[in-house]
Amino acid sequence: EDQVTQSPEALRLQEGESSSLNCSYTVSGLRGLFWYRQDPGKGPEFLFTLYSAGEEKEKERLKATLTKKESFLHITAPKPEDSATYLCAVRLWSSASKIIFGSGTRLSIRP
Amino acid sequence: EAGVTQFPSHSVIEKGQTVTLRCDPISGHDNLYWYRRVMGKEIKFLLHFVKESKQDESGMPNNRFLAERTGGTYSTLKVQPAELEDSGVYFCASSQDQGLAGYSSYNEQFFGPGTRLTVL
Repeated sequence: EDQVTQSPEALRLQEGESSSLNCSYTVSGLRGLFWYRQDPGKGPEFLFTLYSAGEEKEKERLKATLTKKESFLHITAPKPEDSATYLCAVRLWSSASKIIFGSGTRLSIRP
Repeated sequence: EAGVTQFPSHSVIEKGQTVTLRCDPISGHDNLYWYRRVMGKEIKFLLHFVKESKQDESGMPNNRFLAERTGGTYSTLKVQPAELEDSGVYFCASSQDQGLAGYSSYNEQFFGPGTRLTVL
């Protein structure tokens, strides 16, 4: 069964303390892996798409990387405004429509 | 440019009643998706419209759920009759043409704020 697992479930960091969020996947035919950010009471906000192992994408303090089994979202010197739930999702070659989401990592940055 | 809007933001109904959720996608977006998140679970795909046609409705849980997209514009998701397990947050998303042929790039999906449905 296709599965996306995110860890940790929750992460509390001090402002400026860098860390990484993990997304491991077991799927049949990865077409793309996505990272989203979700703030309370809002819908997911798109961050990155990764297509192949070795690919990296960066945006401000965030960098996403992809291997054949997992993806990491690295956050460098985070600020309190980076606090949110970060969601990983995958799209498969077997479906043009369906996206499978992980359960997310709740990130909290203390000033 | 207006984003994806959903109405209502919250709905509280009793078991057995009917509820209709509405989604207005970004103007010009042919693709419209419905997702839901039930308590403590991940967001799950329900269905995908391309214009007014259903491309994939494999995620619809049962025949109590009916989605329509009149004229390829806004979409409604009706739950009739509602059950307790239908409680959750229903998200709508839209995107431009996906370019499905070949190794196409992903056109990001823009999500609405969601409708929180509570069935008592």
